[in-house]
Amino acid sequence: EVQLVESGGGLVQPGGSLRLSCAASGFAFRSYWMHWVRQAPGKGLVWVSRINGDGSSTRYADSVKGRFTISRDNAKNTLYLQMNSLRAEDTAVYYCARVRGYGDANDVFDIWGQGTMVTVSS
Amino acid sequence: DIVMTQSPDSLAVSLGERATINCKSSQSVLYSSNNKNYLAWYQQKPGQPPNLLIYWASTRESGVPDRFSGSGSGTDFTLTISSLQAEDVAVYYCQQYFTTPCTFGQGTKLEIK
Repeated sequence: EVQLVESGGGLVQPGGSLRLSCAASGFAFRSYWMHWVRQAPGKGLVWVSRINGDGSSTRYADSVKGRFTISRDNAKNTLYLQMNSLRAEDTAVYYCARVRGYGDANDVFDIWGQGTMVTVSS
Repeated sequence: DIVMTQSPDSLAVSLGERATINCKSSQSVLYSSNNKNYLAWYQQKPGQPPNLLIYWASTRESGVPDRFSGSGSGTDFTLTISSLQAEDVAVYYCQQYFTTPCTFGQGTKLEIK
């Protein structure tokens, strides 16, 4: 079964750090571009970051640039999001998502994890 | 960034009736070299992640019921549910992937009348 499972969310104080993980199974992880998308409580979907298959190319939303780092370990079939200098406005459910299409760079997401909640509050 | 605007924000439709959701982009998402519209639609039920319904504006994802269809080109797009079923109650989002960052509409909440 093709599956993505996020972990690592929780409550953190403003200025703190968290590392999210997304464990992939059931597909050739190294061949797919991967993304993080977040959703604040009661709000819509907002793209956060993406990484290509071998990890050599990354992009970030302006709102997280310089604070968040996306990475992947293809040997472990795992995607990461290192989040530093967290702010209250980063509070959201964070989803990892797979791009539809083997080797495809188009940002259409066919597989999503269940999400992990990040709460930034003192 | 391309701004995606959906209308209406919420919609109540009777079971078996047609539901129509509109999506407008602030600039064209039609790529002239391949004549493809870089527009997708997702369905999100409460407590669940989004589910891909449509991509390339009108291509239905595998396993999606054929009562869901997408249309439009350039800057104006429509998601149509031909005969509403109870399980279609959800929030629907359009998304452009013409440029990075990809951007989503604000969502349309679909309910049963």
